[in-house]
Amino acid sequence: DAKTTQPNSMESNEEEPVHLPCNHSTISGTDYIHWYRQLPSQGPEYVIHGLTSNVNNRMASLAIAEDRKSSTLILHRATLRDAAVYYCIAEEYGNKLVFGAGTILRVKS
Amino acid sequence: DAGVIQSPRHEVTEMGQEVTLRCKPISGHDYLFWYRQTMMRGLELLIYFNNNVPIDDSGMPEDRFSAKMPNASFSTLKIQPSEPRDSAVYFCASSKQGQSHEKLFFGSGTQLSVL
Repeated sequence: DAKTTQPNSMESNEEEPVHLPCNHSTISGTDYIHWYRQLPSQGPEYVIHGLTSNVNNRMASLAIAEDRKSSTLILHRATLRDAAVYYCIAEEYGNKLVFGAGTILRVKS
Repeated sequence: DAGVIQSPRHEVTEMGQEVTLRCKPISGHDYLFWYRQTMMRGLELLIYFNNNVPIDDSGMPEDRFSAKMPNASFSTLKIQPSEPRDSAVYFCASSKQGQSHEKLFFGSGTQLSVL
């Protein structure tokens, strides 16, 4: 699994878009990029994952750089309920994930 | 679907006592994982099973920790004897075998305090 680097924390205003960056310069061609988030007092929950193309789902969008050395998780309109720790993981096997420190996202009303 | 079910939600015990944490994975899932989370070390993968067989236990901290999966719907993580440094939140997660990028579903965790 490739090492990922994320900012320790970020702050956003409610109802505004949030772009959470992740660097994974040592990613291999078979590593997927997975994003999970952990709300206070809960277990992590899946957000989105992708390999090469940008991905969208009801929760978020994932923009993957052309060289795949970085990616960005996009929350289109942050709400207070999106305040959480966001984890970016570059891993070939989605069912054996090693979590890093993640980014603490604070959302201001 | 009830999701991954863990019990107990909270456990307080004294040093030296045996602790057993329980997990019921989502029906039909083939993989089961045990994670531990502390402020100092974050989320650590302890062990995982595939079709009830332990595949990788390299994250188990020491011999005081053991995990079993006697059937597809139940797993235990046991600590004997427990120590204060074992205090943490223990999460169980499950996923479905198939494509390698299957997503994990986590339980709500067991908050363990060893006094």
